[in-house]
Amino acid sequence: QVQLVEAGGGVVQPGGSLRLSCAASGFTFSSYGMHWVRQAPGKGLEWVAFIRYDGTNKYYADSVKGRFTISRDNSKNTLYLQMNSLRAEDTAVYYCARGSGFGDLATYLFDYWGQGTLVSVSS
Amino acid sequence: DIVMTQSPDSLAVSLGERATINCKSSQSVLYSSNNKTYLAWYQQKPGQPPKLLIYWASTRESGVPDRFSGSGSGTDFTLTISSLQAEDVAVYSCQQYYSTPSFGQGTKLEIK
Repeated sequence: QVQLVEAGGGVVQPGGSLRLSCAASGFTFSSYGMHWVRQAPGKGLEWVAFIRYDGTNKYYADSVKGRFTISRDNSKNTLYLQMNSLRAEDTAVYYCARGSGFGDLATYLFDYWGQGTLVSVSS
Repeated sequence: DIVMTQSPDSLAVSLGERATINCKSSQSVLYSSNNKTYLAWYQQKPGQPPKLLIYWASTRESGVPDRFSGSGSGTDFTLTISSLQAEDVAVYSCQQYYSTPSFGQGTKLEIK
Protein backbone atom coordinates (compact mmCIF):
# COMPACT_ATOMS: atom_id res chain seq x y z
CA GLN A 1 0.00 0.00 0.00
CA VAL A 2 1.07 3.58 -0.58
CA GLN A 3 3.05 5.01 2.33
CA LEU A 4 4.47 8.49 2.72
CA VAL A 5 6.48 9.21 5.86
CA GLU A 6 7.66 12.73 6.59
CA ALA A 7 10.55 13.64 8.86
CA GLY A 8 12.69 16.64 9.77
CA GLY A 9 10.24 18.94 11.49
CA GLY A 10 11.05 20.76 14.70
CA VAL A 11 11.45 24.11 16.36
CA VAL A 12 13.56 26.74 14.62
CA GLN A 13 14.21 30.42 15.16
CA PRO A 14 13.02 33.03 12.67
CA GLY A 15 15.52 33.28 9.84
CA GLY A 16 16.64 29.70 10.35
CA SER A 17 16.55 26.68 8.06
CA LEU A 18 15.13 23.18 8.07
CA ARG A 19 15.13 20.31 5.60
CA LEU A 20 12.11 18.05 5.47
CA SER A 21 12.11 14.63 3.88
CA CYS A 22 9.36 12.26 2.77
CA ALA A 23 10.10 8.58 2.31
CA ALA A 24 7.79 6.91 -0.19
CA SER A 25 6.94 3.24 -0.57
CA GLY A 26 4.26 1.01 -2.06
CA PHE A 27 4.29 2.61 -5.51
CA THR A 28 6.69 3.53 -8.32
CA PHE A 29 7.91 6.83 -6.89
CA SER A 30 9.69 7.87 -10.08
CA SER A 31 6.40 7.84 -12.01
CA TYR A 32 4.53 10.42 -9.91
CA GLY A 33 4.63 14.14 -9.36
CA MET A 34 4.91 15.03 -5.69
CA HIS A 35 3.79 17.95 -3.56
CA TRP A 36 4.23 19.61 -0.21
CA VAL A 37 1.07 21.00 1.41
CA ARG A 38 0.96 22.70 4.80
CA GLN A 39 -1.64 23.42 7.44
CA ALA A 40 -1.15 26.09 10.06
CA PRO A 41 -2.60 25.29 13.51
CA GLY A 42 -6.39 25.45 13.35
CA LYS A 43 -6.31 26.67 9.74
CA GLY A 44 -7.04 25.36 6.27
CA LEU A 45 -4.74 23.65 3.81
CA GLU A 46 -2.21 25.58 1.73
CA TRP A 47 -0.31 24.11 -1.21
CA VAL A 48 3.43 24.82 -0.99
CA ALA A 49 5.35 23.22 -3.84
CA PHE A 50 5.30 20.65 -6.65
CA ILE A 51 7.96 18.66 -8.45
CA ARG A 52 7.39 16.70 -11.61
CA TYR A 53 8.05 12.93 -11.60
CA ASP A 54 11.45 13.39 -13.23
CA GLY A 55 12.39 16.57 -11.36
CA THR A 56 12.37 18.70 -14.50
CA ASN A 57 9.61 21.11 -13.41
CA LYS A 58 9.14 22.70 -10.02
CA TYR A 59 6.43 25.16 -8.95
CA TYR A 60 6.01 27.12 -5.73
CA ALA A 61 3.38 29.11 -3.91
CA ASP A 62 4.13 32.83 -3.93
CA SER A 63 4.37 32.74 -0.12
CA VAL A 64 7.48 30.53 -0.24
CA LYS A 65 9.04 31.35 -3.60
CA GLY A 66 12.73 32.17 -3.27
CA ARG A 67 12.92 30.69 0.24
CA PHE A 68 11.90 27.05 -0.18
CA THR A 69 13.31 24.47 -2.60
CA ILE A 70 11.64 21.18 -3.49
CA SER A 71 13.76 18.29 -4.74
CA ARG A 72 13.65 14.52 -5.07
CA ASP A 73 15.96 11.53 -5.26
CA ASN A 74 14.23 8.84 -7.28
CA SER A 75 17.01 6.35 -6.46
CA LYS A 76 16.10 6.72 -2.76
CA ASN A 77 12.31 7.14 -3.22
CA THR A 78 12.55 10.35 -1.22
CA LEU A 79 11.10 13.85 -1.56
CA TYR A 80 12.69 16.87 0.12
CA LEU A 81 11.81 20.42 1.07
CA GLN A 82 14.65 22.78 1.94
CA MET A 83 13.22 25.69 3.91
CA ASN A 84 15.37 28.81 4.40
CA SER A 85 14.68 32.24 5.91
CA LEU A 86 11.86 30.79 7.96
CA ARG A 87 9.18 33.09 9.34
CA ALA A 88 6.62 32.72 12.10
CA GLU A 89 3.90 32.37 9.47
CA ASP A 90 5.61 29.22 8.15
CA THR A 91 4.59 27.42 11.36
CA ALA A 92 2.46 24.48 10.24
CA VAL A 93 2.17 20.76 9.78
CA TYR A 94 3.84 19.95 6.49
CA TYR A 95 2.39 17.08 4.48
CA CYS A 96 3.88 15.40 1.48
CA ALA A 97 1.24 14.33 -0.99
CA ARG A 98 1.32 12.27 -4.14
CA GLY A 99 0.04 13.79 -7.34
CA SER A 100 -2.77 11.78 -8.84
CA GLY A 101 -2.30 9.09 -11.44
CA PHE A 102 -3.80 11.45 -14.00
CA GLY A 103 -0.38 13.06 -14.43
CA ASP A 104 -0.36 16.30 -16.42
CA LEU A 105 -4.16 16.10 -16.81
CA ALA A 106 -4.54 16.85 -13.10
CA THR A 107 -1.18 18.03 -11.79
CA TYR A 108 -2.63 19.46 -8.59
CA LEU A 109 -4.91 16.64 -7.47
CA PHE A 110 -3.58 14.84 -4.37
CA ASP A 111 -4.49 11.20 -3.93
CA TYR A 112 -2.33 10.08 -0.97
CA TRP A 113 -0.98 12.08 1.97
CA GLY A 114 1.59 11.40 4.65
CA GLN A 115 0.91 11.90 8.35
CA GLY A 116 2.77 15.21 8.36
CA THR A 117 5.63 16.77 10.31
CA LEU A 118 5.29 19.86 12.48
CA VAL A 119 7.47 22.89 11.86
CA SER A 120 7.38 25.58 14.52
CA VAL A 121 9.14 28.90 13.91
CA SER A 122 9.57 30.77 17.14
CA SER A 123 12.17 32.75 19.07
CA ASP B 1 -5.81 33.18 -7.91
CA ILE B 2 -9.04 31.23 -7.45
CA VAL B 3 -10.65 31.69 -4.03
CA MET B 4 -12.68 28.81 -2.61
CA THR B 5 -15.41 29.59 -0.09
CA GLN B 6 -17.31 26.94 1.84
CA SER B 7 -20.57 27.13 3.75
CA PRO B 8 -21.37 26.60 6.49
CA ASP B 9 -18.21 26.74 8.62
CA SER B 10 -19.71 24.10 10.91
CA LEU B 11 -22.65 21.76 10.76
CA ALA B 12 -24.36 19.44 13.24
CA VAL B 13 -26.50 16.63 11.82
CA SER B 14 -28.30 13.72 13.48
CA LEU B 15 -27.14 10.18 12.79
CA GLY B 16 -28.86 8.80 9.69
CA GLU B 17 -29.77 12.25 8.40
CA ARG B 18 -28.46 14.05 5.33
CA ALA B 19 -25.51 16.44 5.52
CA THR B 20 -24.88 19.02 2.82
CA ILE B 21 -21.77 21.16 2.43
CA ASN B 22 -21.42 23.88 -0.17
CA CYS B 23 -18.36 25.23 -1.97
CA LYS B 24 -18.10 28.20 -4.29
CA SER B 25 -15.15 29.11 -6.50
CA SER B 26 -14.38 32.69 -7.51
CA GLN B 27 -14.18 31.60 -11.15
CA SER B 28 -15.18 28.59 -13.17
CA VAL B 29 -13.08 25.46 -12.73
CA LEU B 30 -14.46 23.82 -15.86
CA TYR B 31 -11.69 23.23 -18.39
CA SER B 32 -13.49 23.60 -21.71
CA SER B 33 -10.91 21.71 -23.78
CA ASN B 34 -11.65 18.42 -22.00
CA ASN B 35 -15.00 19.26 -20.39
CA LYS B 36 -13.70 18.28 -16.96
CA THR B 37 -14.44 20.10 -13.72
CA TYR B 38 -11.34 20.47 -11.58
CA LEU B 39 -12.93 20.24 -8.13
CA ALA B 40 -12.11 17.77 -5.34
CA TRP B 41 -13.37 17.08 -1.83
CA TYR B 42 -11.25 15.85 1.08
CA GLN B 43 -12.13 14.47 4.51
CA GLN B 44 -9.83 15.15 7.46
CA LYS B 45 -10.46 13.41 10.76
CA PRO B 46 -8.83 14.76 13.94
CA GLY B 47 -5.09 14.13 14.03
CA GLN B 48 -5.09 12.60 10.55
CA PRO B 49 -4.07 13.81 7.10
CA PRO B 50 -6.68 14.66 4.47
CA LYS B 51 -8.21 11.82 2.51
CA LEU B 52 -9.39 12.24 -1.08
CA LEU B 53 -13.13 11.54 -1.36
CA ILE B 54 -14.31 13.03 -4.64
CA TYR B 55 -12.60 14.32 -7.78
CA TRP B 56 -13.81 15.73 -11.11
CA ALA B 57 -16.57 17.20 -8.89
CA SER B 58 -18.56 13.95 -8.73
CA THR B 59 -16.30 10.89 -9.08
CA ARG B 60 -15.85 8.92 -5.88
CA GLU B 61 -12.35 7.75 -5.06
CA SER B 62 -11.98 3.99 -4.83
CA GLY B 63 -13.17 2.66 -1.48
CA VAL B 64 -15.25 5.72 -0.55
CA PRO B 65 -18.75 4.70 0.62
CA ASP B 66 -21.55 5.53 -1.77
CA ARG B 67 -23.31 7.66 0.84
CA PHE B 68 -20.81 10.35 -0.19
CA SER B 69 -21.65 12.18 -3.40
CA GLY B 70 -20.47 15.32 -5.13
CA SER B 71 -22.40 17.54 -7.48
CA GLY B 72 -22.32 20.94 -9.10
CA SER B 73 -20.76 22.72 -12.04
CA GLY B 74 -19.04 25.93 -13.00
CA THR B 75 -18.56 27.72 -9.70
CA ASP B 76 -21.02 26.07 -7.29
CA PHE B 77 -20.52 22.64 -5.79
CA THR B 78 -22.01 20.43 -3.10
CA LEU B 79 -20.83 17.48 -1.05
CA THR B 80 -23.68 15.37 0.27
CA ILE B 81 -23.57 12.61 2.85
CA SER B 82 -26.88 10.83 2.43
CA SER B 83 -27.08 9.12 5.82
CA LEU B 84 -24.61 10.39 8.40
CA GLN B 85 -22.59 7.78 10.26
CA ALA B 86 -20.57 8.36 13.44
CA GLU B 87 -17.31 7.81 11.57
CA ASP B 88 -18.10 10.71 9.23
CA VAL B 89 -17.30 13.29 11.92
CA ALA B 90 -14.50 15.29 10.31
CA VAL B 91 -13.55 18.51 8.58
CA TYR B 92 -14.42 18.53 4.89
CA SER B 93 -12.55 20.73 2.43
CA CYS B 94 -13.06 21.47 -1.23
CA GLN B 95 -10.12 22.15 -3.53
CA GLN B 96 -9.76 23.41 -7.07
CA TYR B 97 -6.97 21.94 -9.17
CA TYR B 98 -7.74 23.95 -12.32
CA SER B 99 -4.79 26.24 -11.61
CA THR B 100 -2.41 26.88 -8.70
CA PRO B 101 -4.34 24.85 -6.14
CA SER B 102 -6.45 26.42 -3.44
CA PHE B 103 -8.65 24.98 -0.73
CA GLY B 104 -11.81 26.08 1.01
CA GLN B 105 -11.52 27.00 4.68
CA GLY B 106 -13.11 23.70 5.73
CA THR B 107 -16.47 22.70 7.20
CA LYS B 108 -16.53 20.95 10.56
CA LEU B 109 -19.18 18.23 10.64
CA GLU B 110 -20.44 17.01 13.99
CA ILE B 111 -23.19 14.79 15.35
CA LYS B 112 -26.28 16.55 16.69
